[in-house]
Amino acid sequence: AQKITQTQPGMFVQEKEAVTLDCTYDTSDQSYGLFWYKQPSSGEMIFLIYQGSYDEQNATEGRYSLNFQKARKSANLVISASQLGDSAMYFCAMSRGGNKLTFGTGTQLKVEL
Amino acid sequence: EAQVTQNPRYLITVTGKKLTVTCSQNMNHEYMSWYRQDPGLGLRQIYYSMNVEVTDKGDVPEGYKVSRKEKRNFPLILESPSPNQTSLYFCASSPTPKGGLYGYTFGSGTRLTVV
Repeated sequence: AQKITQTQPGMFVQEKEAVTLDCTYDTSDQSYGLFWYKQPSSGEMIFLIYQGSYDEQNATEGRYSLNFQKARKSANLVISASQLGDSAMYFCAMSRGGNKLTFGTGTQLKVEL
Repeated sequence: EAQVTQNPRYLITVTGKKLTVTCSQNMNHEYMSWYRQDPGLGLRQIYYSMNVEVTDKGDVPEGYKVSRKEKRNFPLILESPSPNQTSLYFCASSPTPKGGLYGYTFGSGTRLTVV
């Protein structure tokens, strides 16, 4: 079965420090995509970053980078220089079979002064 | 502005009273889908559509219907809502089913309560 696992229900980080949010996935597909979304308390889903299964380089978008380890089936999100506005729920997701998107259960990140 | 618009944002209804949640996108995306979000379960896919008149079940389709008569619209229909359908619902669209570099664009969500 296709599955996304986020083992950290909650994380705390101090402002300006880096934080890694873990994500492992399980799929038998050769071609798939991995995404991270941010959900602030207001509820909207904000797309952060994408990694294709055939991409050799780790994806980066500003302060966000995706640490993609294909053999380990992990796709961890790294946020550098955390800001108070980064406090939110973060979801890892995988597109599979070309038409389905599976989400993990999320990690609640709290950035502290 | 490129967006996915869902209506209503909030809805309280009674068991058994048919309702429709509308979803419209202005980006000419082929792929659209519906999700429900429940605490501790993340988002789960209800239905998706690859194009006009092409729809298919996601992981939790029971109790829901959809239609895709036009490219921009993808309404979610609950013909006989029950309390276990109380949830936060999201509509999303993408240029392609795989999402890719642009990801999936989500609507603002519809918080549904069935009493």
